[in-house]
Amino acid sequence: GAVVSQHPSRVICKSGTSVKIECRSLDFQATTMFWYRQFPKQSLMLMATSNEGSKATYEQGVEKDKFLINHASLTLSTLTVTSAHPEDSSFYICSARVGASGGARYNEQFFGPGTRLTVL
Amino acid sequence: GNSVTQMEGPVTLSEEAFLTINCTYTATGYPSLFWYVQYPGEGLQLLLKATKADDKGSNKGFEATYRKETTSFHLEKGSVQVSDSAVYFCALSPQAGNNRKLIWGLGTSLAVNP
Repeated sequence: GAVVSQHPSRVICKSGTSVKIECRSLDFQATTMFWYRQFPKQSLMLMATSNEGSKATYEQGVEKDKFLINHASLTLSTLTVTSAHPEDSSFYICSARVGASGGARYNEQFFGPGTRLTVL
Repeated sequence: GNSVTQMEGPVTLSEEAFLTINCTYTATGYPSLFWYVQYPGEGLQLLLKATKADDKGSNKGFEATYRKETTSFHLEKGSVQVSDSAVYFCALSPQAGNNRKLIWGLGTSLAVNP
């Protein structure tokens, strides 16, 4: 149990296009999902916190108009990188926090496998 | 504020050697502490956790004890294997706050040679 999937796992796009990444909690409800960037050989950088049914909270320095986050249901959050540029190339990781219905796992976070974005 | 400081890598060990990866934290109140592992090409996985002082988290031969007096949560394993080669992240979750976002260390890369 407690599986988080991400799709796609890898995407290559041209500069100027938009890319959507999906994050799904497969067997639990996640009222909160987090989006991270991870640069090579570095730690995770939290980009934003996504709450179901409300606007995402972005970390300082993260452009909300460039990284659009939608958390439409308790099991799905999407990150759209708009007008992508080569500097947006990175590894994007989502995590989902188990909601109150999750019993003993309440508040635990589970991570997706990540999405490698390459912008040419 | 909250922060996590983790020893820098990379760490290179021979198989069956003893492993320690240091982690210290700064936080108000009583945070929960975590170790996550990222194997090559895979996503992050929770390795172990501790939610209160003196708790010991353990999994797959790894252990870490929540030491409030030294604000530390060092990761140890008595005998490492090649399959333990990965990047290890120490993290804390503040006690307060609705979203409980994790505060991360920079990660320590471990390479175990046969």
